[in-house]
Amino acid sequence: GDSVTQTEGLVTLTEGLPVMLNCTYQTIYSNPFLFWYVHYLNESPRLLLKSSTDNKRTEHQGFHATLHKSSSSFHLQKSSAQLSDSALYYCALSMNTGGADRLTFGKGTQLIIQP
Amino acid sequence: NSKVIQTPRYLVKGQGQKAKMRCIPEKGHPVVFWYQQNKNNEFKFLINFQNQEVLQQIDMTEKRFSAECPSNSPCSLEIQSSEAGDSALYLCASSPTGEQYFGPGTRLTVL
Repeated sequence: GDSVTQTEGLVTLTEGLPVMLNCTYQTIYSNPFLFWYVHYLNESPRLLLKSSTDNKRTEHQGFHATLHKSSSSFHLQKSSAQLSDSALYYCALSMNTGGADRLTFGKGTQLIIQP
Repeated sequence: NSKVIQTPRYLVKGQGQKAKMRCIPEKGHPVVFWYQQNKNNEFKFLINFQNQEVLQQIDMTEKRFSAECPSNSPCSLEIQSSEAGDSALYLCASSPTGEQYFGPGTRLTVL
């Protein structure tokens, strides 16, 4: 079946430093959809980024990611971390974005930004 | 911001008791999903519906879990006989034809 791997369970950074959270995936589908969700404590998980286009950078709220099908990766990046970025980040995979398919999530990366 | 409503926010049950939680998807979203987020923050897909019909579901071989999404009523997820291992955050999400929008979840604690 499909799987998503986030290698870091916990990332601790100082404010102002760049952020990179890793995400790789395995799927039999040639056109998967990849997502990044952010989950703040006591709030709903919220979509941060999505992509299905190979080698195209997608950006939102200062974060960006590029889907690379050749390496099955969709790493999340930000040039300068802010204290408010502290949250759980999940990479997820779907067969399509038609809306009906389940999301397969990675185990999540807890990002802690320190002053 | 998501407009998915989940009730109750917190649910405490004893082992063997029924636990029922509800979800009102965003208006106009025909697809509804249920996920379980365990104590390690890992997501597990449970079931999804499109216009009241089940699309996909995990093999609930224990048959303790049941779900429905009747028209003109909230969707629901019910555990017939709660076990300690069911303690988790149960998240409902709805989707128009694209990404999924999550509710805040129902946190179930089974004592």
